[in-house]
Amino acid sequence: RKEVEQDPGPFNVPEGATVAFNCTYSNSASQSFFWYRQDCRKEPKLLMSVYSSGNEDGRFTAQLNRASQYISLLIRDSKLSDSATYLCVVATSGGSYIPTFGRGTSLIVHP
Amino acid sequence: DTGVSQDPRHKITKRGQNVTFRCDPISEHNRLYWYRQTLGQGPEFLTYFQNEAQLEKSRLLSDRFSAERPKGSFSTLEIQRTEQGDSAMYLCASSFGLAGSSYEQYFGPGTRLTVT
Repeated sequence: RKEVEQDPGPFNVPEGATVAFNCTYSNSASQSFFWYRQDCRKEPKLLMSVYSSGNEDGRFTAQLNRASQYISLLIRDSKLSDSATYLCVVATSGGSYIPTFGRGTSLIVHP
Repeated sequence: DTGVSQDPRHKITKRGQNVTFRCDPISEHNRLYWYRQTLGQGPEFLTYFQNEAQLEKSRLLSDRFSAERPKGSFSTLEIQRTEQGDSAMYLCASSFGLAGSSYEQYFGPGTRLTVT
């Protein structure tokens, strides 16, 4: 089983739709969680951190479920510019800090 | 621009040649990471520095790969005797971190390596 798993998609949605991505992780000691966005042939860019209490940034909401070992990203009112690959990142804090990336979920928002 | 920079952006080399990439992190960041990314996959961890100390190295990293961060600032990644399977995007990221804590990483634009 991979340490971090994501459905690669693509998720093909119309503008204005709400879309949700899940990401599961296998290491129960994981403590840090992030969502990154990566545009085609560009570097990953931090979208948001994921906190235990959940957090929201505009149209984006991230949730953490430690019991089931998954994080989620909800995008409301999708825009064409949201088309990208969304990477889930999980890390175990402590002496060494090695983030593990999922393979990413591709989102295509169409008019 | 005070972000992470990488040089060169593109490198084409023949199999068997050595290549070296450079990464300049965000100046106040003490942690520096190297990743490799191939098409359709997420970044794969290669190695990580905290200041000048190399703290972790992926088990997947062959002995043809070596990285340094001599003064705790910029870092270099060298690949010796390149193979076609080394063709990938090599990403550098930096962050600020203390023992027991973790902060977001910021990525450079990457170096795209093509081995012919």
